[in-house]
Amino acid sequence: GQNIDQPTEMTATEGAIVQINCTYQTSGFNGLFWYQQHAGEAPTFLSYNVLDGLEEKGRFSSFLSRSKGYSYLLLKELQMKDSASYLCAVTDSNYQLIWGAGTKLIIKP
Amino acid sequence: IAGITQAPTSQILAAGRRMTLRCTQDMRHNAMYWYRQDLGLGLRLIHYSNTAGTTGKGEVPDGYSVSRANTDDFPLTLASAVPSQTSVYFCASSDSASGSGTDTQYFGPGTRLTVL
Repeated sequence: GQNIDQPTEMTATEGAIVQINCTYQTSGFNGLFWYQQHAGEAPTFLSYNVLDGLEEKGRFSSFLSRSKGYSYLLLKELQMKDSASYLCAVTDSNYQLIWGAGTKLIIKP
Repeated sequence: IAGITQAPTSQILAAGRRMTLRCTQDMRHNAMYWYRQDLGLGLRLIHYSNTAGTTGKGEVPDGYSVSRANTDDFPLTLASAVPSQTSVYFCASSDSASGSGTDTQYFGPGTRLTVL
């Protein structure tokens, strides 16, 4: 079966750095997305990786290793507004998006 | 309007009733999707449409139907609601000629549905 694993919940301190991991086992791979979802709101796009390596976008970076079926989202200089759920999603060989259950990130002052 | 809108925002429905969730986008995106999101589970695809006039089944299509008469609208119908359909429903769209899952999806604000 297809599976995406993320930690259920993480806690970090304002101003610090946090890494949210995502591992996947899917039938084929055509890209990996990270979305942010604040409580009670819609998911919004953060990043897309299709090649191995690190993609940096401001305070957020996303890394992909296709051979290991692994990605992480790195958030630097954490702010209280970064408290949200972070969703990992993989496009499989049928070009369907498979979603992880999300990681709830709690930022403490 | 800008982006994707959904209606209603929330609804409480008696089991057995018919219900249509509305979704409209003004971005002229080809592809549209309906998901349900339940606590502890990832977003699950119910139905999708790669372009106007075509629809397809997702991971959890049973009990739901869709239509895509034009580019902008993608309504989701529950013919006879059951309590297990209590969920938050998100509509999304992407600018994809092929409907491939490699394009960024833009989500509506969601509909919170409770079936009693």
